[in-house]
Amino acid sequence: AQSVSQHNHHVILSEAASLELGCNYSYGGTVNLFWYVQYPGQHLQLLLKYFSGDPLVKGIKGFEAEFIKSKFSFNLRKPSVQWSDTAEYFCAAPSNEKLTFGTGTRLTIIP
Amino acid sequence: NAGVTQTPKFRVLKTGQSMTLLCAQDMNHEYMYWYRQDPGMGLRLIHYSVGEGTTAKGEVPDGYNVSRLKKQNFLLGLESAAPSQTSVYFCASSYGDNNSPLHFGNGTRLTVT
Repeated sequence: AQSVSQHNHHVILSEAASLELGCNYSYGGTVNLFWYVQYPGQHLQLLLKYFSGDPLVKGIKGFEAEFIKSKFSFNLRKPSVQWSDTAEYFCAAPSNEKLTFGTGTRLTIIP
Repeated sequence: NAGVTQTPKFRVLKTGQSMTLLCAQDMNHEYMYWYRQDPGMGLRLIHYSVGEGTTAKGEVPDGYNVSRLKKQNFLLGLESAAPSQTSVYFCASSYGDNNSPLHFGNGTRLTVT
Protein backbone atom coordinates (compact mmCIF):
# COMPACT_ATOMS: atom_id res chain seq x y z
CA ALA A 1 0.00 0.00 0.00
CA GLN A 2 1.05 3.53 -0.67
CA SER A 3 2.48 5.53 2.24
CA VAL A 4 3.34 9.22 2.38
CA SER A 5 5.86 10.93 4.62
CA GLN A 6 6.42 14.56 5.45
CA HIS A 7 9.61 15.22 7.35
CA ASN A 8 9.12 18.88 8.14
CA HIS A 9 6.80 19.11 11.13
CA HIS A 10 6.91 22.86 11.69
CA VAL A 11 8.41 25.47 9.41
CA ILE A 12 8.74 29.13 10.34
CA LEU A 13 9.48 31.70 7.66
CA SER A 14 9.42 35.43 7.24
CA GLU A 15 7.17 37.03 4.67
CA ALA A 16 8.65 37.04 1.13
CA ALA A 17 10.88 34.05 1.90
CA SER A 18 10.82 31.09 -0.45
CA LEU A 19 9.13 27.89 0.65
CA GLU A 20 9.76 24.23 0.00
CA LEU A 21 7.93 21.51 1.92
CA GLY A 22 9.01 17.92 1.49
CA CYS A 23 6.79 14.97 0.61
CA ASN A 24 7.95 11.44 -0.18
CA TYR A 25 5.81 8.51 -1.28
CA SER A 26 6.60 4.84 -1.18
CA TYR A 27 5.00 3.11 -4.16
CA GLY A 28 6.79 3.31 -7.49
CA GLY A 29 4.00 2.39 -9.90
CA THR A 30 1.37 4.73 -11.31
CA VAL A 31 1.20 7.59 -8.87
CA ASN A 32 -1.39 10.24 -8.21
CA LEU A 33 -0.44 12.84 -5.63
CA PHE A 34 -2.20 15.69 -3.88
CA TRP A 35 -1.39 18.61 -1.65
CA TYR A 36 -4.08 19.91 0.69
CA VAL A 37 -4.04 23.01 2.86
CA GLN A 38 -5.85 23.57 6.15
CA TYR A 39 -6.11 27.18 7.29
CA PRO A 40 -6.55 27.73 11.05
CA GLY A 41 -9.96 26.56 12.19
CA GLN A 42 -11.00 25.37 8.74
CA HIS A 43 -11.31 22.12 6.83
CA LEU A 44 -8.84 20.75 4.28
CA GLN A 45 -8.93 22.23 0.79
CA LEU A 46 -7.23 20.98 -2.34
CA LEU A 47 -4.13 22.99 -3.26
CA LEU A 48 -2.96 21.03 -6.30
CA LYS A 49 -2.79 17.55 -7.77
CA TYR A 50 -0.60 15.46 -10.06
CA PHE A 51 -1.87 12.64 -12.27
CA SER A 52 0.50 12.39 -15.23
CA GLY A 53 2.27 14.50 -17.82
CA ASP A 54 4.16 17.64 -16.90
CA PRO A 55 5.90 16.91 -13.57
CA LEU A 56 5.64 20.56 -12.55
CA VAL A 57 2.14 21.19 -11.33
CA LYS A 58 0.73 24.62 -10.59
CA GLY A 59 -1.98 25.10 -8.00
CA ILE A 60 -3.92 27.88 -6.40
CA LYS A 61 -2.44 30.92 -4.62
CA GLY A 62 0.92 30.70 -6.39
CA PHE A 63 1.83 27.23 -5.13
CA GLU A 64 3.49 24.62 -7.30
CA ALA A 65 4.85 21.12 -6.80
CA GLU A 66 7.35 19.04 -8.70
CA PHE A 67 6.97 15.29 -9.15
CA ILE A 68 10.40 13.64 -9.24
CA LYS A 69 9.94 9.95 -9.87
CA SER A 70 13.58 9.02 -9.27
CA LYS A 71 13.43 10.53 -5.80
CA PHE A 72 9.88 9.43 -4.95
CA SER A 73 9.20 13.05 -4.08
CA PHE A 74 6.48 15.62 -4.62
CA ASN A 75 7.71 18.76 -2.88
CA LEU A 76 5.56 21.84 -2.53
CA ARG A 77 7.06 25.22 -3.38
CA LYS A 78 6.20 28.89 -3.38
CA PRO A 79 8.69 31.59 -4.40
CA SER A 80 7.48 34.24 -1.95
CA VAL A 81 5.22 33.44 0.99
CA GLN A 82 2.67 35.73 2.57
CA TRP A 83 1.35 35.92 6.11
CA SER A 84 -1.94 34.45 4.83
CA ASP A 85 -0.10 31.22 3.90
CA THR A 86 0.07 30.35 7.59
CA ALA A 87 -1.63 26.95 7.65
CA GLU A 88 -1.05 23.23 7.85
CA TYR A 89 -0.13 21.45 4.65
CA PHE A 90 -0.78 17.80 3.91
CA CYS A 91 0.56 15.61 1.16
CA ALA A 92 -1.64 12.67 0.15
CA ALA A 93 -1.78 9.72 -2.23
CA PRO A 94 -4.54 7.23 -3.11
CA SER A 95 -4.10 3.68 -1.92
CA ASN A 96 -6.67 0.89 -2.20
CA GLU A 97 -9.85 3.01 -2.42
CA LYS A 98 -8.54 5.37 0.25
CA LEU A 99 -6.49 8.52 0.43
CA THR A 100 -3.43 8.24 2.65
CA PHE A 101 -2.21 11.47 4.23
CA GLY A 102 1.16 12.48 5.56
CA THR A 103 1.33 13.76 9.12
CA GLY A 104 1.30 17.36 7.91
CA THR A 105 3.63 20.35 8.06
CA ARG A 106 2.64 23.38 10.08
CA LEU A 107 3.76 26.56 8.34
CA THR A 108 4.02 29.78 10.32
CA ILE A 109 4.74 33.01 8.45
CA ILE A 110 6.11 35.90 10.47
CA PRO A 111 5.08 39.34 9.19
CA ASN B 1 -24.41 24.02 -3.42
CA ALA B 2 -23.65 22.99 0.17
CA GLY B 3 -20.94 20.39 -0.59
CA VAL B 4 -20.22 18.32 2.52
CA THR B 5 -22.12 19.21 5.67
CA GLN B 6 -21.32 17.85 9.11
CA THR B 7 -23.44 18.09 12.23
CA PRO B 8 -22.93 18.92 15.01
CA LYS B 9 -19.99 21.34 14.94
CA PHE B 10 -19.12 20.87 18.60
CA ARG B 11 -20.02 18.31 21.23
CA VAL B 12 -18.97 17.47 24.76
CA LEU B 13 -19.65 13.96 26.03
CA LYS B 14 -19.06 12.18 29.28
CA THR B 15 -17.23 8.86 29.26
CA GLY B 16 -19.63 6.09 28.36
CA GLN B 17 -22.16 8.25 26.54
CA SER B 18 -23.06 7.60 22.94
CA MET B 19 -23.56 9.89 19.99
CA THR B 20 -23.88 9.96 16.21
CA LEU B 21 -22.14 12.33 13.86
CA LEU B 22 -23.95 13.03 10.63
CA CYS B 23 -22.34 13.73 7.27
CA ALA B 24 -24.34 14.73 4.22
CA GLN B 25 -23.08 15.46 0.70
CA ASP B 26 -25.00 16.79 -2.28
CA MET B 27 -22.44 16.07 -5.02
CA ASN B 28 -23.64 12.56 -5.84
CA HIS B 29 -20.30 11.15 -4.69
CA GLU B 30 -19.95 7.40 -4.39
CA TYR B 31 -17.20 7.35 -1.77
CA MET B 32 -17.42 8.79 1.72
CA TYR B 33 -14.90 8.79 4.54
CA TRP B 34 -14.56 9.57 8.22
CA TYR B 35 -11.20 10.82 9.47
CA ARG B 36 -10.02 11.97 12.84
CA GLN B 37 -7.37 14.63 13.23
CA ASP B 38 -5.10 14.77 16.25
CA PRO B 39 -2.07 17.03 16.82
CA GLY B 40 1.09 15.60 15.30
CA MET B 41 -0.71 12.61 13.79
CA GLY B 42 -2.26 14.06 10.68
CA LEU B 43 -5.51 12.57 9.46
CA ARG B 44 -6.26 8.97 10.24
CA LEU B 45 -9.02 7.09 8.47
CA ILE B 46 -11.66 5.60 10.75
CA HIS B 47 -14.13 4.02 8.31
CA TYR B 48 -15.10 4.56 4.73
CA SER B 49 -17.76 3.60 2.23
CA VAL B 50 -17.49 2.95 -1.49
CA GLY B 51 -21.22 3.08 -2.09
CA GLU B 52 -24.66 2.99 -0.58
CA GLY B 53 -25.03 0.06 1.79
CA THR B 54 -21.30 -0.66 2.03
CA THR B 55 -18.77 0.19 4.73
CA ALA B 56 -15.18 -0.76 5.42
CA LYS B 57 -12.64 -0.29 8.20
CA GLY B 58 -9.83 2.21 7.99
CA GLU B 59 -6.72 2.56 10.12
CA VAL B 60 -8.39 3.28 13.48
CA PRO B 61 -11.89 1.72 13.48
CA ASP B 62 -12.07 0.50 17.08
CA GLY B 63 -14.78 2.15 19.16
CA TYR B 64 -16.64 3.46 16.11
CA ASN B 65 -19.42 2.20 13.88
CA VAL B 66 -20.76 3.60 10.63
CA SER B 67 -23.74 3.27 8.35
CA ARG B 68 -24.43 4.32 4.78
CA LEU B 69 -28.14 3.69 4.29
CA LYS B 70 -28.47 6.47 1.73
CA LYS B 71 -25.89 7.51 -0.83
CA GLN B 72 -25.80 11.09 0.41
CA ASN B 73 -25.40 10.32 4.13
CA PHE B 74 -22.64 8.68 6.14
CA LEU B 75 -23.13 8.34 9.89
CA LEU B 76 -20.39 7.82 12.46
CA GLY B 77 -21.42 6.39 15.80
CA LEU B 78 -19.66 6.20 19.13
CA GLU B 79 -21.41 3.62 21.29
CA SER B 80 -19.48 4.27 24.51
CA ALA B 81 -17.28 7.34 24.31
CA ALA B 82 -13.79 7.34 25.82
CA PRO B 83 -11.41 10.26 26.47
CA SER B 84 -9.11 8.85 23.75
CA GLN B 85 -11.82 9.72 21.26
CA THR B 86 -11.43 13.43 21.95
CA SER B 87 -10.53 14.73 18.52
CA VAL B 88 -11.66 16.69 15.51
CA TYR B 89 -13.64 14.53 13.10
CA PHE B 90 -13.79 15.24 9.39
CA CYS B 91 -16.08 13.72 6.84
CA ALA B 92 -15.07 13.69 3.19
CA SER B 93 -16.49 12.47 -0.09
CA SER B 94 -15.27 11.86 -3.64
CA TYR B 95 -16.21 10.22 -6.93
CA GLY B 96 -13.86 7.41 -5.96
CA ASP B 97 -11.39 7.16 -8.79
CA ASN B 98 -7.73 7.90 -8.03
CA ASN B 99 -7.89 11.22 -9.88
CA SER B 100 -10.71 12.61 -7.78
CA PRO B 101 -9.83 14.83 -4.84
CA LEU B 102 -11.66 14.61 -1.55
CA HIS B 103 -14.14 17.27 -0.53
CA PHE B 104 -14.17 17.85 3.21
CA GLY B 105 -16.77 18.99 5.67
CA ASN B 106 -16.02 21.66 8.26
CA GLY B 107 -15.35 19.20 11.03
CA THR B 108 -16.81 18.25 14.39
CA ARG B 109 -14.85 19.01 17.54
CA LEU B 110 -15.61 16.32 20.10
CA THR B 111 -14.46 16.40 23.70
CA VAL B 112 -14.94 13.39 25.96
CA THR B 113 -14.50 14.06 29.66
